Amino acid sequence: DSGVTQTPKHLITATGQRVTLRCSPRSGDLSVYWYQQSLDQGLQFLIQYYNGEERAKGNILERFSAQQFPDLHSELNLSSLELGDSALYFCASSGTVGELFFGEGSRLTVL
Amino acid sequence: GENVEQHPSTLSVQEGDSAVIKCTYSDSASNYFPWYKQELGKGPQLIIDIRSNVGEKKDQRIAVTLNKTAKHFSLHITETQPEDSAVYFCAASNEFGNEKLTFGTGTRLTIIP
Repeated sequence: DSGVTQTPKHLITATGQRVTLRCSPRSGDLSVYWYQQSLDQGLQFLIQYYNGEERAKGNILERFSAQQFPDLHSELNLSSLELGDSALYFCASSGTVGELFFGEGSRLTVL
Repeated sequence: GENVEQHPSTLSVQEGDSAVIKCTYSDSASNYFPWYKQELGKGPQLIIDIRSNVGEKKDQRIAVTLNKTAKHFSLHITETQPEDSAVYFCAASNEFGNEKLTFGTGTRLTIIP
């Protein structure tokens, strides 16, 4: 158990819809990262937050947004969903420096 | 930006044999190279990492080597066991921390009993 909690584990929705994925980092970790893993693809970095502030941005679509709340949990919002958005979405957390601890992911299926 | 290539995409080895996975990176400023293992239905987990001031690092049956000149690094697993079966990802970063980690596309390692 990495200590990072992601909900929901599975989500099925239709094209054009909006979903929110939630992440609770390890206790004490200030950084939260979001990654997308498509079928047979590597991990694509989406965005990082540090103590509530956006720290780094990767290949995140304009239809996607994220935020980190004062209690350090984070949400990734995906809107106007397309078939190609079907993927595993991972959240990871880390302390000031050190390894990334990944959650078990949220599997999104867009029909 | 950084580009990390990983080979092979799939690898099958007999139990007890060694497995080697290779990665190349493009950004000469990269200085941190972790390896993650992802078991079925789980998130990736760090198994070993190396920084650019070190050429080799070993942890029991796992070792990583780094060639900065050639910009490639490799994961070596010796005396493989069934529990080594998983997907392995290499990654590279040009910052000391974990910002902007760029991952390879993964290697699915299968250990044949």
